[in-house]
Amino acid sequence: EAQVTQNPRYLITVTGKKLTVTCSQNMNHEYMSWYRQDPGLGLRQIYYSMNVEVTDKGDVPEGYKVSRKEKRNFPLILESPSPNQTSLYFCASSTQGLNQPQHFGDGTRLSIL
Amino acid sequence: GQNIDQPTEMTATEGAIVQINCTYQTSGFNGLFWYQQHAGEAPTFLSYNVLDGLEEKGRFSSFLSRSKGYSYLLLKELQMKDSASYLCAVRPAGGGATNKLIFGTGTLLAVQP
Repeated sequence: EAQVTQNPRYLITVTGKKLTVTCSQNMNHEYMSWYRQDPGLGLRQIYYSMNVEVTDKGDVPEGYKVSRKEKRNFPLILESPSPNQTSLYFCASSTQGLNQPQHFGDGTRLSIL
Repeated sequence: GQNIDQPTEMTATEGAIVQINCTYQTSGFNGLFWYQQHAGEAPTFLSYNVLDGLEEKGRFSSFLSRSKGYSYLLLKELQMKDSASYLCAVRPAGGGATNKLIFGTGTLLAVQP
């Protein structure tokens, strides 16, 4: 089954404790992206990757890091999480092409205390 | 700047027709997507428009007017399961991230019996 898989689905942690949210897709997609979704603000792009070893900042990259060592994986790293990073996070992937929709993972709800 | 506007909330009756509007101002235009998102779940792709006119897909149709920066999603024969948020997203032109999407804040549709 074609899918984007995120882990964990839920996490409660404390300020300053490094964490990684994994994202994996099995569709051989070139493009992958991370979003955060907050009430009243919609989906905002954090980082994206056009292909292996090619990553770039989105609209709200502060406090986050990513890597793309393999085509299928695109982990999101919070080196020193803070309470303002409490949010619902989505990973998405798509093949190249202007008419290609992005396929989303089920989301990760992070609470930073 | 980039801006996408949608109504925050709408209410409609089961069996009826509802139209959800979206207006946008972006740096160039490479298409407009509509996504459906049930509470706590991943957004799922509904439709894509790049040329002016109406695209019909079962009970759902989407319309685009590029000159007016305007789109709408039309849902016919509403069912209770259509209660969800509907996200309008625009693919801007230019830059290297041709797969980038800019999302509106979404319209929360409540279908009542």
